[in-house]
Amino acid sequence: AQTVTQSQPEMSVQEAETVTLSCTYDTSESDYYLFWYKQPPSRQMILVIRQEAYKQQNATENRFSVNFQKAAKSFSLKISDSQLGDAAMYFCAYRAPYNNNDMRFGAGTRLTVKP
Amino acid sequence: NAGVTQTPKFRILKIGQSMTLQCTQDMNHNYMYWYRQDPGMGLKLIYYSVGAGITDKGEVPNGYNVSRSTTEDFPLRLELAAPSQTSVYFCASSYETVNTEAFFGQGTRLTVV
Repeated sequence: AQTVTQSQPEMSVQEAETVTLSCTYDTSESDYYLFWYKQPPSRQMILVIRQEAYKQQNATENRFSVNFQKAAKSFSLKISDSQLGDAAMYFCAYRAPYNNNDMRFGAGTRLTVKP
Repeated sequence: NAGVTQTPKFRILKIGQSMTLQCTQDMNHNYMYWYRQDPGMGLKLIYYSVGAGITDKGEVPNGYNVSRSTTEDFPLRLELAAPSQTSVYFCASSYETVNTEAFFGQGTRLTVV
């Protein structure tokens, strides 16, 4: 079974600085999809960024980028120029190929942004 | 554009009571899901549906039931509430293709006392 591990229960960053959240996963598949979701205090789960395993190029969305290391099964999220609104729980998720029901989530990392 | 709407947002149940968590989406997604989120844990899949009339169990289905009579609605039923069902419940929906994300509702915080 695929598992997703987020080894940092909590992280903090100073406003305007950069922080990296870690995620590792276990799979025997060669093609799959990875996601980072943000969950602010409102509880709404919001997609931050997605990566397709067959694409070598790391995904980027404005201040958010990933470091996808397929061989190491690592998928870290880098937040640049951190803003107070980035404070939230961040979940890493893995979706199996050809199987929409199989999305596995990590336990989450709580990010605090200090002014 | 409402997206995925869940009701209620909060609920307290007594042990043995029943309730239905409502979920509706207006994006014409065929795939819908119910997850639960326990403290310090990621989301775990309870049930999912790939279209009207089709449902299947996820990772943690015991104590729950679902139905899917329309594309829009996917209610989750708790028949005999137990303290172990205290959790935050999320409904989500997505297109069929695997490379698209799931869209989530705002969650229901359920406490069983």
